[in-house]
Amino acid sequence: DTVLTQSPDSLAVSLGESATINCRSNQTVLYSSNNKNYLGWFQQKPGQPPKLLIYWAATRDSGVPDRFSGSGSGTDFTLTISSLQAEDVAVYYCHQYIRTPYTFGQGTRLEIK
Amino acid sequence: QMQLQQSGPGLVRPAETLTLTCSVSGVSISSRDFYWVWIRQPPGQGLDWLGNVFASGRIYYNPSLKSRLSLSLDTSTGQLSLALHSVTAADTAVYYCASGSSLSREVKYWGQGTRVAVSS
Repeated sequence: DTVLTQSPDSLAVSLGESATINCRSNQTVLYSSNNKNYLGWFQQKPGQPPKLLIYWAATRDSGVPDRFSGSGSGTDFTLTISSLQAEDVAVYYCHQYIRTPYTFGQGTRLEIK
Repeated sequence: QMQLQQSGPGLVRPAETLTLTCSVSGVSISSRDFYWVWIRQPPGQGLDWLGNVFASGRIYYNPSLKSRLSLSLDTSTGQLSLALHSVTAADTAVYYCASGSSLSREVKYWGQGTRVAVSS
């Protein structure tokens, strides 16, 4: 299976500051035929289903604020939230969908400092 | 806009079968533009992929559950179904149906989730 390891497990950031979450895969999620990384990022708030933020490692889903950005390729990826807002408090998951079984990172809990 | 509406029991007895349905609206369930996904989340834990269902009839299961899990799609009713046999307390979770784009494959649309407890 493709194992995704996120770091850190939890993070406290001041309002207006930037938050960075990392995701490392034990196998590449880069599909060489189209040069796309099949890596996404979800945000989950309590009692709600996950919400897609980023797909193909760096493409923001429609309606997602531009303070959310994704980067990386192959096996190492980053989600950056610039200018943190109170509504960004949530758990964030990376997710690979290049091969089955699809897998998720263990999650990173983001709080306000 | 696609919507996924889930239904099913909130409590299942050990050793019985958990059955959930997911009604799709806003798009045809037989559309080749989308595929269908089941995911679960145990209490206080992360996300576990259960399987993918394609309108073509292809189904991919999580190997860890394949012997107990059955996923299906009914084009006449526009519903997805999940059946998990011989449940134990470890199957207690919120179960989600979701949808992915066949082209770019990201999982974008999610149902509201069904909270299922396995208990006698």
